[in-house]
Amino acid sequence: DAGITQSPRHKVTETGTPVTLRCHQTENHRYMYWYRQDPGHGLRLIHYSYGVKDTDKGEVSDGYSVSRSKTEDFLLTLESATSSQTSVYFCAISDAAELGTDTQYFGPGTRLTVL
Amino acid sequence: DAKTTQPPSMDCAEGRAANLPCNHSTISGNEYVYWYRQIHSQGPQYIIHGLKNNETNEMASLIITEDRKSSTLILPHATLRDTAVYYCIVMGSQGNLIFGKGTKLSVKP
Repeated sequence: DAGITQSPRHKVTETGTPVTLRCHQTENHRYMYWYRQDPGHGLRLIHYSYGVKDTDKGEVSDGYSVSRSKTEDFLLTLESATSSQTSVYFCAISDAAELGTDTQYFGPGTRLTVL
Repeated sequence: DAKTTQPPSMDCAEGRAANLPCNHSTISGNEYVYWYRQIHSQGPQYIIHGLKNNETNEMASLIITEDRKSSTLILPHATLRDTAVYYCIVMGSQGNLIFGKGTKLSVKP
């Protein structure tokens, strides 16, 4: 399995509080992705990164920000959590030479509940 | 929206081959077809991918029709641990994997 960890694995928080999820990889892969998974929607891309300090928005980026200060870490921040952000969040990594050309490997996920 | 369509569910007897179909009639000539699976709420697990030719690895075989409008994932000897949701995927323009609803495969003893 690819060396990807996510922390925390489970979190319960209250509406309006900031939340940061961490994805850590030991593979030195260039691309990192954040997805969310909700019933009836499959996985949807939130943000992705193509290098240190290089990030871009995905399909469902509203209410989320990301940062990548080191190759191995990709942080997802919910500035002010809402109940609609209750979901399972997955991080993925890829060693593609260019975007969209290589296999993505997923982390174990973080289950976030916003009350 | 997903560029692929799959049956919502399938059953397979343990030890038999599981053949999971996928239609991707709008796929372009340079788009790969990827297969992933997800067991319970675990992270999606990569299985195999292909472009034109049939592919085989230690987990499965992928058969792609000559016109590339459909493909079949074959698990040669299904076990109970292969029970999962299987996704046939084509990448989106942002390099993201576009997950549809997948096929829920139930392997029965």
